[in-house]
Amino acid sequence: NAGVTQTPKFQVLKTGQSMTLQCAQDMNHNSMYWYRQDPGMGLRLIYYSASEGTTDKGEVPNGYNVSRLNKREFSLRLESAAPSQTSVYFCASSDQSTGADTIYFGEGSWLTVV
Amino acid sequence: KQEVTQIPAALSVPEGENLVLNCSFTDSAIYNLQWFRQDPGKGLTSLLLIQSSQREQTSGRLNASLDKSSGRSTLYIAASQPGDSATYLCAVPPTSGTYKYIFGTGTRLKVLA
Repeated sequence: NAGVTQTPKFQVLKTGQSMTLQCAQDMNHNSMYWYRQDPGMGLRLIYYSASEGTTDKGEVPNGYNVSRLNKREFSLRLESAAPSQTSVYFCASSDQSTGADTIYFGEGSWLTVV
Repeated sequence: KQEVTQIPAALSVPEGENLVLNCSFTDSAIYNLQWFRQDPGKGLTSLLLIQSSQREQTSGRLNASLDKSSGRSTLYIAASQPGDSATYLCAVPPTSGTYKYIFGTGTRLKVLA
């Protein structure tokens, strides 16, 4: 089972460049999430999508945009990358229809902005 | 507002030791509590999920307990091995109307051979 797949795994960007992180899940989950993880800060929610066609801001949305392309895919875009966006990004999904289900994570995307 | 705390932040133990990792939460109205393992350079892998109606859940050498009234969960690892070295995180799901899982900052475990 693939679970949650995100690409790319590693990326180096120059300040001001743009890029999109792709995420797909094959578990038919309604909800999808983008987190960033920084040393000493734990996991912080950037954006989430409760269901297909909806997206909402999390704790740290500034500098990011998202698209819920369909039920499977949820992408994260950095329009003008900044060094402060150097981080590890995780996509996740869950089935919030019952409010009690497991959250599954992708393997992470390591982004460095120079 | 739900807050999740994990103490200690780091722990080193000799191989073979039984150990307990702690997770505390401030709002006892939770659906479940989930424990994860994260290896360096990797994503989070779900270890155990305890439903609010359960007291404990077991998987191999791992046993997780939940005491909602005291706002605590523990992850017990029996006969620790060097391969258990990783960061362990706990998380509680969103409360009604939000989609924000609350994560602890984790306990970094090192099992010495």
